[in-house]
Amino acid sequence: QVQLQESGPGLVKPSETLSLTCTVSGGSISSYYWSWIRQPPGKGLEWIGYIYYSGSTNYNPSLKSRVTISVDTSKNQFSLKLSSVTAADTAVYYCARERIAAADNWFDPWGQGTLVTVSS
Amino acid sequence: SYELTQPPSVSVSPGQTARITCSGDALPKQYAYWYQQKPGQAPVLVIYKDSERPSGIPERFSGSSSGTTVTLTISGVQAEDEADYYCQSADSSGTLFGGGTKLTVL
Repeated sequence: QVQLQESGPGLVKPSETLSLTCTVSGGSISSYYWSWIRQPPGKGLEWIGYIYYSGSTNYNPSLKSRVTISVDTSKNQFSLKLSSVTAADTAVYYCARERIAAADNWFDPWGQGTLVTVSS
Repeated sequence: SYELTQPPSVSVSPGQTARITCSGDALPKQYAYWYQQKPGQAPVLVIYKDSERPSGIPERFSGSSSGTTVTLTISGVQAEDEADYYCQSADSSGTLFGGGTKLTVL
């Protein structure tokens, strides 16, 4: 079955850009939507945005000015860039396959998550 | 955008029934989805489209919807069901999660 694995630096300095990659295995990245979701320590889940395999995107309005999600179908990977980070961006970042049907959406499966700490 | 409201915590004894609610104005028009998250693990989908159960999820997990409230019901709760549970739905801007409910098995 499809599995997802996040990778990237675990420590980012304030004002710099957070960069993560999600590698999809066990299936093709084509014909699906792929999302990033984050969870600050001890807090709830926040959807960051998604990308369709063709490259179209949709971002959380609260993060839209700082977020870029891209896809590399040749590598079966998609990536997240979050600019101008602050301590408030410290979180476990998950990648997930997003299923969209009409006006509804859900996430299955998820990657194991990776903790990114913003600190100097 | 609107919000999804969940109780912060629910406690039940083993073998009892746990009910976790999620309220939101758009829920009559949008399906709700439920995720289970155990400590240190990623969320797992346990209910989709209000009441459907993915393969591999035990039958004791069920979902229902009434007006602006959806409910996740766990019948015959087991110790392994202790976890955080999140509801999720959509609005015009994208995806929304509830604040989460910590289920404690006494």
